[in-house]
Amino acid sequence: EAGVAQSPRYKIIEKRQSVAFWCNPISGHATLYWYQQILGQGPKLLIQFQNNGVVDDSQLPKDRFSAERLKGVDSTLKIQPAKLEDSAVYLCASSLYGRPYFGPGTRLTVT
Amino acid sequence: DQQVKQNSPSLSVQEGRISILNCDYTNSMFDYFLWYKKYPAEGPTFLISISSIKDKNEDGRFTVFLNKSAKHLSLHIVPSQPGDSAVYFCAASETGSQGNLIFGKGTKLSVKP
Repeated sequence: EAGVAQSPRYKIIEKRQSVAFWCNPISGHATLYWYQQILGQGPKLLIQFQNNGVVDDSQLPKDRFSAERLKGVDSTLKIQPAKLEDSAVYLCASSLYGRPYFGPGTRLTVT
Repeated sequence: DQQVKQNSPSLSVQEGRISILNCDYTNSMFDYFLWYKKYPAEGPTFLISISSIKDKNEDGRFTVFLNKSAKHLSLHIVPSQPGDSAVYFCAASETGSQGNLIFGKGTKLSVKP
């Protein structure tokens, strides 16, 4: 069974630029999550989708972050404009029931 | 306000000995707890979980203990192996949160040969 796929794996941008991350969940998984992991911290949920509807986006900084899930499968997370404090690993995860399965993450460095 | 706390940033253990990783939580509504293991440049991998209706769950070398009255759980690895060297995250969720996990900051385990 293929795992959660994410791209790119690494991205370096300057502050005020925009960036987008892509995620392809495990086939058949209805729930998709985006987590942000800042260095030295545990992952923090940004947004959760059930199929293509948003279940929880209470911790998503909506003035600069946006996310969508196309046709209930792939998802993109966008940051515009980026700030220095957005430097982190962005983890996508998916689940069918219960516990999430995580992808390898995208490491974002904002300079 | 941290709802899940892992107070030991790091732990070093000799190969073959027991590793004990600790986790405390503050939210009494949490009823499902998980441990994830993370290697560098990889995403977290599920290790073991426990529901609040149990006080112990075992899977091979890994055992998780839950003390609800103390709001404390621990992960025991016996015997520890060098391949267990990784960052271990404790996570918790509550019924109805639909999988929204609250993570601790992690404990870096080093198992020395």
